[in-house]
Amino acid sequence: GAVVSQHPSWVICKSGTSVKIECRSLDFQATTMFWYRQFPKQSLMLMATSNEGSKATYEQGVEKDKFLINHASLTLSTLTVTSAHPEDSSFYICSAGTPTDTQYFGPGTRLTVL
Amino acid sequence: DAKTTQPPSMDCAEGRAANLPCNHSTISGNEYVYWYRQIHSQGPQYIIHGLKNNETNEMASLIITEDRKSSTLILPHATLRDTAVYYCIVRVAGRPGTASKLTFGTGTRLQVTL
Repeated sequence: GAVVSQHPSWVICKSGTSVKIECRSLDFQATTMFWYRQFPKQSLMLMATSNEGSKATYEQGVEKDKFLINHASLTLSTLTVTSAHPEDSSFYICSAGTPTDTQYFGPGTRLTVL
Repeated sequence: DAKTTQPPSMDCAEGRAANLPCNHSTISGNEYVYWYRQIHSQGPQYIIHGLKNNETNEMASLIITEDRKSSTLILPHATLRDTAVYYCIVRVAGRPGTASKLTFGTGTRLQVTL
């Protein structure tokens, strides 16, 4: 199957700082990428949908000014958590959609905000 | 997208077939059934999907009832590495060249035992 990578796999930061997470589709071009968040013992919650070259579409309740998404190319999308706080600590997962509309997921990034 | 109902947990002995049911009684004619699994602390892994016909790949088989109101994912010879949360998701295919979002429920936690 298609491969999606994320970097970093884990990050610890101080409260108030910003953190950038990269998501790359390694062997296919992804017109659409998605960002999810997962809290412990909960299911994945979609945060936003990003299409290459256009603004991301955020799900209800997700602050677009706090979670900045850039999808500058067909193989790279980034999520920046700005002014992170402890409640932003979570497992962030991206996925990329293939031309046949199957989504493949990255391995996830565990963010801990102190 | 149609909602799905899955049992919260199941056990299966290693080497035996694991049959995971999913109810999607409100599915529409243009909605596909997708199965993903998530091993602890990893991103979800695509398994299989189908519309009407039964499907088989190297990982699993998907059996969809004739009325499409339910389906079963079959792992023919479960191993300990198949222990994971399995998600059954129903969704409409995206427009050509785009991907449509996935809505995750709570899934079935499959525990494979010796």
